[in-house]
Amino acid sequence: KNEVEQSPQNLTAQEGEFITINCSYSVGISALHWLQQHPGGGIVSLFMLSSGKKKHGRLIATINIQEKHSSLHITASHPRDSAVYICALGEYGNKLVFGAGTILRVKS
Amino acid sequence: GAGVSQSPRYKVAKRGQDVALRCDPISGHVSLFWYQQALGQGPEFLTYFQNEAQLDKSGLPSDRFFAERPEGSVSTLKIQRTQQEDSAVYLCASSLLGGLEEKLFFGSGTQLSVL
Repeated sequence: KNEVEQSPQNLTAQEGEFITINCSYSVGISALHWLQQHPGGGIVSLFMLSSGKKKHGRLIATINIQEKHSSLHITASHPRDSAVYICALGEYGNKLVFGAGTILRVKS
Repeated sequence: GAGVSQSPRYKVAKRGQDVALRCDPISGHVSLFWYQQALGQGPEFLTYFQNEAQLDKSGLPSDRFFAERPEGSVSTLKIQRTQQEDSAVYLCASSLLGGLEEKLFFGSGTQLSVL
């Protein structure tokens, strides 16, 4: 059932550090989503990728379709970045298959 | 509306009770999804609507789970004879057309606790 694997499961960083979260998958996809979930809160869509690289503020997402791998990078991390980051595979009609998530804690 | 709205935010049910969870998607959004998120895990797909048509219900865990979207806007997820294993956060998401690279908008979820 593990079509999508995320690493690490837990990550603690100091404020200002560069952070990388990885996502590997085993099936063909049309798009890959990176999502952010705060405790007790809803889920926010950060990126959708089908190729290459996207950047939004301090967040960068890359995908390598041939290697079936994607990464989410956070530059100059801040405590407010603390959240669960989820990689999700996009199937038909935008049905998503979610990874288990990476719990990120950024300490000041 | 401004975003996807779900109600109630929290629901406590006694085992065996029926519950109904509501999702109000963003106005005009064609596609609507229900997901179930158990504690400490990623969400899992339950069902998908395009307008009023339920195109995929493969993720519904049992015939106690039923979803509808009769007028292509508000959707209700009903769970009959709730069991403890139904305890989870139920998330609703919508997108404008349901295209493969469309942004999804999520509600805050309904946290269901079955005692």
